[in-house]
Amino acid sequence: QKEVEQDPGPLSVPEGAIVSLNCTYSNSAFQYFMWYRQYSRKGPELLMYTYSSGNKEDGRFTAQVDKSSKYISLFIRDSQPSDSATYLCAAGGTSYGKLTFGQGTILTVHP
Amino acid sequence: ETGVTQSPTHLIKTRGQQVTLRCSSQSGHNTVSWYQQALGQGPQFIFQYYREEENGRGNFPPRFSGLQFPNYSSELNVNALELDDSALYLCASSPRQASSYEQYFGPGTRLTVT
Repeated sequence: QKEVEQDPGPLSVPEGAIVSLNCTYSNSAFQYFMWYRQYSRKGPELLMYTYSSGNKEDGRFTAQVDKSSKYISLFIRDSQPSDSATYLCAAGGTSYGKLTFGQGTILTVHP
Repeated sequence: ETGVTQSPTHLIKTRGQQVTLRCSSQSGHNTVSWYQQALGQGPQFIFQYYREEENGRGNFPPRFSGLQFPNYSSELNVNALELDDSALYLCASSPRQASSYEQYFGPGTRLTVT
């Protein structure tokens, strides 16, 4: 079993839709949870991170972590064609900087 | 402020050869991590360097090795290349050793092994 599991999709939505992206994890030592966006043939770009459980909002993006169920979510409101990319969830601990990534979900927002 | 840079952008090597990839960390960052991303997969942690020493390693064989220099730039060396080493190699820098949440990635080096 992978430590971080993510449905690869692909996910296709119309412009303006609310997008929900999800991951599960198995390692209880994870304390930090990240979402990265990766455009084709580019490096991952950090969108936001959350420490432990709770919500974090940044513009159209909201990240949620539920440590009791080991569930990570990213919501995108008013999705735009420019949001079309692969979204990677990742988790890390506090001892050193290893990130464990999910497989990535391919998102397409069509006009 | 300059972000993370990597060179070269693309590389084609033959099985059995050796390769060196380079990374310059973001200004003010003292820790560098390397990841391997196979096509259609998430990045996998290779190792991390802090103060010129390896600070943690993922499930990669010893033929994957690295260096960090006093200016915090880094190299990834891979010996005896195998076909499965074909991937995007990503470097990430962070301002702190234990900073799993503040890693900023470069554009990557795409390695093809034939």
